[in-house]
Amino acid sequence: DAKTTQPTSMDCAEGRAANLPCNHSTISGNEYVYWYRQIHSQGPQYIIHGLKNNETNEMASLIITEDRKSSTLILPHATLRDTAVYYCIVRVNAGGTSYGKLTFGQGTILTVHP
Amino acid sequence: DAGITQSPRYKITETGRQVTLMCHQTWSHSYMFWYRQDLGHGLRLIYYSAAADITDKGEVPDGYVVSRSKTENFPLTLESATRSQTSVYFCASSERTGVPYEQYFGPGTRLTVT
Repeated sequence: DAKTTQPTSMDCAEGRAANLPCNHSTISGNEYVYWYRQIHSQGPQYIIHGLKNNETNEMASLIITEDRKSSTLILPHATLRDTAVYYCIVRVNAGGTSYGKLTFGQGTILTVHP
Repeated sequence: DAGITQSPRYKITETGRQVTLMCHQTWSHSYMFWYRQDLGHGLRLIYYSAAADITDKGEVPDGYVVSRSKTENFPLTLESATRSQTSVYFCASSERTGVPYEQYFGPGTRLTVT
């Protein structure tokens, strides 16, 4: 699976958009980009995933560059409850009895300030 | 309640003791996973299971045993606990294979081996 690079930490004001970047310059054509987050003392939580096109759900938007070498997770109106570690993960699909392992790196610590 | 649960949430045990961490999910998901999370290492996969009676090793399986006699349960046993197994353990489950899928994580078990 492709390696990802994320900033160690970021700050954001409450109510503003939080834009979390992720570099995955060695991504292959069949690898997806996933975002998870982990709020303190809780298990990781799935946010969103994408392959080529930009994606949006009720939690966030995912913008993937045309060359797919980087992506940005956007939390449109950050709240204090969005303070968490955000993980960008790149992995291949898996089928049958095999599976696609999620490799969690160090992630980005996002702190949302009042 | 529907979802994925882990028990106990906190456990203190002595070196050499056997301890079993329980994981239960109510979605009938095929895939289940055990991760451990340590400072400086992120989440690392211990074992996973593609279905009842099908299990396989992850990145760090030594010292652990798993079983999956029922789809909804995936217990993790430390046969002879060591201090290096002090960690936070997360169980996860996933419904789909062969297509992009998300993993749903439990709340975690904090294990201390003295």
